[in-house]
Amino acid sequence: NAGVTQTPKFQVLKTGQSMTLQCAQDMNHEYMSWYRQDPGMGLRLIHYSVGAGITDQGEVPNGYNVSRSTTEDFPLRLLSAAPSQTSVYFCASNPGTRASYEQYFGPGTRLTVT
Amino acid sequence: GQQLNQSPQSMFIQEGEDVSMNCTSSSIFNTWLWYKQDPGEGPVLLIALYKAGELTSNGRLTAQFGITRKDSFLNISASIPSDVGIYFCAGLSTSGTYKYIFGTGTRLKVLA
Repeated sequence: NAGVTQTPKFQVLKTGQSMTLQCAQDMNHEYMSWYRQDPGMGLRLIHYSVGAGITDQGEVPNGYNVSRSTTEDFPLRLLSAAPSQTSVYFCASNPGTRASYEQYFGPGTRLTVT
Repeated sequence: GQQLNQSPQSMFIQEGEDVSMNCTSSSIFNTWLWYKQDPGEGPVLLIALYKAGELTSNGRLTAQFGITRKDSFLNISASIPSDVGIYFCAGLSTSGTYKYIFGTGTRLKVLA
């Protein structure tokens, strides 16, 4: 198993550009989430999904869109990049069963918006 | 947004010493997770806790789910240089929504 994979690893955008951060997992997990990590702020939830076709907002959803058409993939779209979106983005997944809420993270995408 | 209080924020210790850190919340959680993050990497899951009072070990690491369900503790015994990193706690809310709340991390530095 590759676990949770994210692409790209690094990205530089100009203000106003759009892009999609890719996330995939091969563990057949129902739940997937996107977080951003900023210095001194810990991890903050952007959007999450409890299954294919179901998404919901997290703590900091503004400026981001998600969709979940398959169990494996959960892309994050930046609609019009802003310098405030400079951050490290992590995707995570977990089985979503009462027996296990162990959440596993991908390696991250480091985004800089100039 | 809501975050957990994690302490200490950072600590320097000598190799071989034991380390203790904790996480506290004003809310009740029914799951606690502990992670370690190395520079430039994603958080790696260390221990998961599901019951109040539960004590779980993973090698030299031991974590406890507080009996009030509002706190959790992580201990590292006989620290080694590769223990360096940032340790995060995360609590899963019982409010019915699926949202983990994360602590701001404890940065551990081990002096050889």
